[in-house]
Amino acid sequence: NAGVTQTPKFRVLKTGQSMTLLCAQDMNHEYMYWYRQDPGMGLRLIHYSVGEGTTAKGEVPDGYNVSRLKKQNFLLGLESAAPSQTSVYFCASRGLPGNTIYFGEGSWLTVV
Amino acid sequence: AQSVTQPDIHITVSEGASLELRCNYSYGATPYLFWYVQSPGQGLQLLLKYFSGDTLVQGIKGFEAEFKRSQSSFNLRKPSVHWSDAAEYFCAVGAQGGSEKLVFGKGTKLTVNP
Repeated sequence: NAGVTQTPKFRVLKTGQSMTLLCAQDMNHEYMYWYRQDPGMGLRLIHYSVGEGTTAKGEVPDGYNVSRLKKQNFLLGLESAAPSQTSVYFCASRGLPGNTIYFGEGSWLTVV
Repeated sequence: AQSVTQPDIHITVSEGASLELRCNYSYGATPYLFWYVQSPGQGLQLLLKYFSGDTLVQGIKGFEAEFKRSQSSFNLRKPSVHWSDAAEYFCAVGAQGGSEKLVFGKGTKLTVNP
């Protein structure tokens, strides 16, 4: 019972480098989300998807891109990493509207 | 658009004391409401949720929350706090029948003194 799996769990990037965070869920959920968590800021929504092939912007989308080519995967990309993107990133998914959201364990990203 | 306010950034209680964490939301219709807990370096664990029906919701670990529509509040309570409850607590609101976004408050950090 994997639930929501994020890879990688830890990563250090240099400014300007690119990377992709992968989120995979095995619950056949329609909705998937990427959040970032920063001290004192709570969780802020970056992008989300309401189904395969769809994406939408959240509160803080700048500097990030996403793709949902397969229902079970939601990718978060940083094209040119900046120190301001140092954060903990959480992926989440849920089924029908209103159902519980399940979170991954988080990905710690440091941009130097 | 929905929003959540957790007025208390940090709360300290003694072990065995009662606890109430405040959450106020803003949303024009009936919301979905959640409380999550996060231990240091860990992910988020769902404590309880409100969708409809009984406004007093029971959760895991002895927590409960009451939805008060007139006050736009969803406060979390526990009658007797244990040292293991020390963590950060997040309230979240989702929209029924509209956007599927889930918006979080900034969190309340709970410290438990022995």
